[in-house]
Amino acid sequence: DVKVTQSSRYLVKRTGEKVFLECVQDMDHENMFWYRQDPGLGLRLIYFSYDVKMKEKGDIPEGYSVSREKKERFSLILESASTNQTSMYLCASSPPLEGASYEQYFGPGTRLTVT
Amino acid sequence: AQSVTQLDSQVPVFEEAPVELRCNYSSSVSVYLFWYVQYPNQGLQLLLKYLSGSTLVKGINGFEAEFNKSQTSFHLRKPSVHISDTAEYFCAVSALNTGGFKTIFGAGTRLFVKA
Repeated sequence: DVKVTQSSRYLVKRTGEKVFLECVQDMDHENMFWYRQDPGLGLRLIYFSYDVKMKEKGDIPEGYSVSREKKERFSLILESASTNQTSMYLCASSPPLEGASYEQYFGPGTRLTVT
Repeated sequence: AQSVTQLDSQVPVFEEAPVELRCNYSSSVSVYLFWYVQYPNQGLQLLLKYLSGSTLVKGINGFEAEFNKSQTSFHLRKPSVHISDTAEYFCAVSALNTGGFKTIFGAGTRLFVKA
């Protein structure tokens, strides 16, 4: 089974802090994604990566950056946390598009509270 | 670009009753369609998917969905629900756009199964 793990289930940070959210997948997937989930808004894509050291902006990248130094690890960085970044953050991975099922595999999520 | 609308934000239903969760989409290109489920305090997991072929798709836990191209719908159904089906359900649409392959999630439908 594909396993996607996230470094923390719950995190509380102060406004202005730099925050790192880590995600690791064990299925050698090329594609990795970071979403934030807010009530009534579903999942919104922050950033994604199709390969090591490669990143693409999603729909709401402002205030975030990412790093992918190794294939299995995709990090989300909040450079200076703000209260409007309080949310559930979900990491996902998927195999390459060619001949794939196109489904994404999700981690358990990190609930971040910024005070 | 594509979009997804889940027509009900909350659906209460009694145990052993049938349920339908509605999903409509719009897209100018061919799409792949998914339903994901999120149990409390967990990440999303795939219920079922439509890529091609038969328009009636069967998934896990007794759920099924029907792709209706003319009505651009992909409604999720279960003939008899259990308490354990209480969760949030997300419809998702994937399509190849000029900017690349993209997945859009609906806002989610909370299913409450009552005894």
